[in-house]
Amino acid sequence: EAQVTQNPRYLITVTGKKLTVTCSQNMNHEYMSWYRQDPGLGLRQIYYSMNVEVTDKGDVPEGYKVSRKEKRNFPLILESPSPNQTSLYFCASSLSVYSGNTIYFGEGSWLTVV
Amino acid sequence: AQSVTQLDSQVPVFEEAPVELRCNYSSSVSVYLFWYVQYPNQGLQLLLKYLSGSTLVESINGFEAEFNKSQTSFHLRKPSVHISDTAEYFCAVSEAGGFKTIFGAGTRLFVKA
Repeated sequence: EAQVTQNPRYLITVTGKKLTVTCSQNMNHEYMSWYRQDPGLGLRQIYYSMNVEVTDKGDVPEGYKVSRKEKRNFPLILESPSPNQTSLYFCASSLSVYSGNTIYFGEGSWLTVV
Repeated sequence: AQSVTQLDSQVPVFEEAPVELRCNYSSSVSVYLFWYVQYPNQGLQLLLKYLSGSTLVESINGFEAEFNKSQTSFHLRKPSVHISDTAEYFCAVSEAGGFKTIFGAGTRLFVKA
């Protein structure tokens, strides 16, 4: 089954404790990205990757890091989480960077930073 | 740069009634338009999209949307909703030839029995 898998789905952590949210896709997609969803703001892009070893900032990259060492994986790293990073996070992928492609989303990761 | 506005944050409607979820966009170039749906505790999934051709596009579960270039709109409609249509709906726009997709703030559709 074609899917984007992210873990953990739910996490409560403390301010300053580094964490990683993993993301993996099994569709051989070139393009992957991370979004955060906040009430009234919709989805905002954090980082994206056009292919292996190619990453770039989205609209809200502060406080986040990513890497793309393999085509299928795109982890999101919060080096020193803060309460304003409490949010619902989605990993997504699409076949290529072509803007008409369908975007496939993971089921989301609820992150609470206390 | 493109932008998208969903005019209603919440839309309550009774089962079997018609519904329209409004979406307006802004762009100086040709655009692609999308509606994504997010059911409770799930990720977003594509409902329908307009790339070119017929301005009326349909989904497999009875939704349709019409691209109106003069009004810069892409409203989503369904003539008769079901309880199972309760979800959040996101309109999205990307510039043809570009690589960035912008999402609206979402519209929560509540279908009541």
